[in-house]
Amino acid sequence: DGGITQSPKYLFRKEGQNVTLSCEQNLNHDAMYWYRQDPGQGLRLIYYSQIVNDFQKGDIAEGYSVSREKKESFPLTVTSAQKNPTAFYLCASSRNSGPVGWGDAFGSGTQLSVL
Amino acid sequence: QKEVEQDPGPLSVPEGAIVSLNCTYSNSAFQYFMWYRQYSRKGPELLMYTYSSGNKEDGRFTAQVDKSSKYISLFIRDSQPSDSATYLCAMSASGANSKLTFGKGITLSVRP
Repeated sequence: DGGITQSPKYLFRKEGQNVTLSCEQNLNHDAMYWYRQDPGQGLRLIYYSQIVNDFQKGDIAEGYSVSREKKESFPLTVTSAQKNPTAFYLCASSRNSGPVGWGDAFGSGTQLSVL
Repeated sequence: QKEVEQDPGPLSVPEGAIVSLNCTYSNSAFQYFMWYRQYSRKGPELLMYTYSSGNKEDGRFTAQVDKSSKYISLFIRDSQPSDSATYLCAMSASGANSKLTFGKGITLSVRP
């Protein structure tokens, strides 16, 4: 059953702590994306990767970092430099044939909250 | 003016109604137009995808793009309670590095 798996579903961060959100896909998609969604807001692109070992900053990359060592995996680290991390984080993937960020598959999201 | 504006809602309709959801945009370079459906606390699901202008139909859903007015619409016929969700429009220019810009979304509730 192909899809995108995000974990954990809920995550709590203490001040000064880095936390990592997991995203794994078995769709054989080349491109993967991380979005942030705040209440009543659209999705904003944090980072994206169109090929293994390469990634690009999106519109709101400050305070975040990513890696793409395997095609299936695109973890997102929310660093202590991100002062307002509370949000719903979504991972997406697509074939590399449309605009950047057009997810034709999305994960179920991770809700990150600050303790 | 924001690049993509979407009616804020929320919107509540009775079951069986025709629903019209709309977005306007300011960037005349936009060529890709998408509609996503998002259930509460879930990832969005790509509903409709249109390149350039025109209409596209898929079952009870019709997506319409009017580039002269910079206006896109999603029509839902014979709406069902299961259509209750947040609907997001998204659009992008063409070109290898053109990124998708999302509207804020509108929450639709279909009353039985």
